[in-house]
Amino acid sequence: EADIYQTPRYLVIGTGKKITLECSQTMGHDKMYWYQQDPGMELHLIHYSYGVNSTEKGDLSSESTVSRIRTEHFPLTLESARPSHTSQYLCASSEYGEGMPLQFFGPGTRLTVL
Amino acid sequence: KQEVTQIPAALSVPEGENLVLNCSFTDSAIYNLQWFRQDPGKGLTSLLLIQSSQREQTSGRLNASLDKSSGRSTLYIAASQPGDSATYLCAVPFSGGYNKLIFGAGTRLAVHP
Repeated sequence: EADIYQTPRYLVIGTGKKITLECSQTMGHDKMYWYQQDPGMELHLIHYSYGVNSTEKGDLSSESTVSRIRTEHFPLTLESARPSHTSQYLCASSEYGEGMPLQFFGPGTRLTVL
Repeated sequence: KQEVTQIPAALSVPEGENLVLNCSFTDSAIYNLQWFRQDPGKGLTSLLLIQSSQREQTSGRLNASLDKSSGRSTLYIAASQPGDSATYLCAVPFSGGYNKLIFGAGTRLAVHP
């Protein structure tokens, strides 16, 4: 079944640790996105990719980095986590082509940095 | 710069009521508008997509309307049920793009029996 997956779902770590949030989709979508959402607040786009080896920063500045080596995989990395990085991170992918901008979201990773 | 606002921020109603959730956006040059549902601790589920050429879309008990000229959209929920309790988000594409979305902060809906 086509879907979009995120791991881990919950992560609690100490300051200074390097972490990677995983996102995979089985729908063959070219476009993938990372959003950050604080409780009760808007989703903000932090990274997006239009295909393999294509990555761009989003609307909200983020200290995280992303890579897109394979179509189905779009991991997000924090080299040195800080308490200000505590948030929910949502991954999404969308179908290509004007008029079909439907985005499909993963379940999210809730990150807490102590 | 596009901004999306949703009113009210929270709503609590008894089961069976008909509801209207509001979404406004500042730049009316949009390709489309989407309504999403988010359950606590989970990702988003797309509910309705309205193209810029359309005025409304319906899915079951949900009806979404779009008035581009006034920069507004409404989500109408008929005969609300406890299972409708969730946060409802509207989103429009970034100006000049149709695949990157700008979200409102959402309306947190609670339907009690």
